[in-house]
Amino acid sequence: KQEVTQIPAALSVPEGENLVLNCSFTDSAIYNLQWFRQDPGKGLTSLLLIQSSQREQTSGRLNASLDKSSGRSTLYIAASQPGDSATYLCAVREWGYGQNFVFGPGTRLSVLP
Amino acid sequence: KAGVTQTPRYLIKTRGQQVTLSCSPISGHRSVSWYQQTPGQGLQFLFEYFSETQRNKGNFPGRFSGRQFSNSRSEMNVSTLELGDSALYLCASSLGGVGEKLFFGSGTQLSVL
Repeated sequence: KQEVTQIPAALSVPEGENLVLNCSFTDSAIYNLQWFRQDPGKGLTSLLLIQSSQREQTSGRLNASLDKSSGRSTLYIAASQPGDSATYLCAVREWGYGQNFVFGPGTRLSVLP
Repeated sequence: KAGVTQTPRYLIKTRGQQVTLSCSPISGHRSVSWYQQTPGQGLQFLFEYFSETQRNKGNFPGRFSGRQFSNSRSEMNVSTLELGDSALYLCASSLGGVGEKLFFGSGTQLSVL
């Protein structure tokens, strides 16, 4: 059974710092991995999607990498801003028919001005 | 392009009642999936519909059911509500193919008293 973990559970950094969020999964048989952000009481916003054949994806100040063989992904946020404060979740899409994503518990990020 | 729309935004019910939640996907998206989010269990997959057929199902009791209409709109029904059903219910849509991004709605916050 696929399990997804995220470290750290919470992170507090001063504005301007570069930071790395970690995601681990137990079964490397995945189609892709997606990173989301969630603001309190809101839905999820897709940040980056990495297919299983890819090593990384970039969007603006965000860079996500995927090492399928070791079951790891990292989300790198450059020059953090207070507006980046949110919970970040990673999710893996398992092999099989349909859209069944397994989510990690998330990392709660606070960027202090 | 309008995003994923979920109604209602908030619901308060009592134990034993039933509830129906609605989700309108992004135009052109044929897959709608439902997730339950709680502080203790995180995000858990309920089921996915594609072209009016349930394509995948998570490990939830039969009290949780859903359906999808020909216009891709979806409804989720929970019968005989229990206190533990209190959660944020999130709907996500996608084109439905392998490797597609998920786009989430803002969710319905259900409180069972």
